[in-house]
Amino acid sequence: DAGITQSPRYKITETGRQVTLMCHQTWSHSYMFWYRQDLGHGLRLIYYSAAADITDKGEVPDGYVVSRSKTENFPLTLESATRSQTSVYFCASSEQGGTEAFFGQGTRLTVV
Amino acid sequence: SQQGEEDPQALSIQEGENATMNCSYKTSINNLQWYRQNSGRGLVHLILIRSNEREKHSGRLRVTLDTSKKSSSLLITASRAADTASYFCATEREGAQKLVFGQGTRLTINP
Repeated sequence: DAGITQSPRYKITETGRQVTLMCHQTWSHSYMFWYRQDLGHGLRLIYYSAAADITDKGEVPDGYVVSRSKTENFPLTLESATRSQTSVYFCASSEQGGTEAFFGQGTRLTVV
Repeated sequence: SQQGEEDPQALSIQEGENATMNCSYKTSINNLQWYRQNSGRGLVHLILIRSNEREKHSGRLRVTLDTSKKSSSLLITASRAADTASYFCATEREGAQKLVFGQGTRLTINP
């Protein structure tokens, strides 16, 4: 199916565990983004990527790692999950960095 | 820090009325966009206005941009129950290939 998909939709993990959130897009968009959404903070940019093998930090990158070996995939890894990383995570893609962005359905992550 | 700030944070109106939301930002921009988010869903792009444009229309949506005041407004005319959602403005700063979002306005349309 065409579009942008995130997996899993829901995840519960324990403090200190590593967890990876997946994002896949079928448009061959150059840019991909990871945001987190928390009450009172709106959406905050974690990391973004302008192309395969090119990534850059956003507003809140600490505690997260990204990679982009293929244009269509942009996984986000929490190396050692903390309770403060409980949030809803959204992946997005766009043809260029500041143009119309297409969002996935989100991953609700709970760290206990 | 957030680039855009929406005002009001929450808005409740009757079906058929017009809804106006405002967005202020801090730095020079290339464009400003508005997105809608239904509860539990991802964001959906509504409209993009470039820094050299002052007004743009799309269906029942009207967006204005005042770069001298660093502000934008989104007007939804003849509101419907289906317009109930959160609305976010996002800006692309000059020289930055990314969008920065505000905190959003939660709009409720009462039947």
